[in-house]
Amino acid sequence: EVQLVESGGGLVQPGRSLKLSCAASGFTFSNYYMAWVRQAPKKGLEWVATISTSGSRTYYPDSVKGRFTISRDNAKSSLYLQMNSLKSEDTATYYCASRGNSGYGYWGQGVMVTVSS
Amino acid sequence: DIQMTQSPSFLSASVGERVTLSCRASQNINKYLDWYQQKLGEAPKLLIYNTNNLHTGIPSRFSGSGSGTDYTLTISSLQPEDVATYFCLQRNSWRMDTFGAGTKLELK
Repeated sequence: EVQLVESGGGLVQPGRSLKLSCAASGFTFSNYYMAWVRQAPKKGLEWVATISTSGSRTYYPDSVKGRFTISRDNAKSSLYLQMNSLKSEDTATYYCASRGNSGYGYWGQGVMVTVSS
Repeated sequence: DIQMTQSPSFLSASVGERVTLSCRASQNINKYLDWYQQKLGEAPKLLIYNTNNLHTGIPSRFSGSGSGTDYTLTISSLQPEDVATYFCLQRNSWRMDTFGAGTKLELK
């Protein structure tokens, strides 16, 4: 059974940092591009970051570029999102997902990040 | 950047009715268009990828079509369990993925 389990969320003050993790199992993690997608409360989905299979290529939208860093450890089947200089508008549920040529096939259950003083 | 416009934002339909949801891209996305279903309190789920390919385990009442900038998700006979918000996603480039704002589908 495929599982993606996010962790590391919580309440953080504006300007501070937080690191999310995503533990993958049930599929060959190293064969997949991976991504983070977020959803602000009662809002739509927003793509946050993508990383290649080796980790050598990363992509971000302008809204997080320079503040967020996606990384992976294929030996541990784990995906990470380092979030720095957090803003109130970063408050959202963050999902990790596999990103392949056939779409975002696998999703985690999500982890909540609240940025507030 | 590619913008995605979904319509309608809200749709109310009856059980058994044929339902059509639309998604328009601001430029040609070469059929790299997916549809995702998100039920209340759950993670999104892939329904259709690359315009018209049904993901594993998805009922055949769901289908997709389109090309260029205009794409459609059709539910041939709406079922109660289809109540959800539906998002389109363009993946024309590895550098930037864009979701539509979503269509909330409810039962009449």
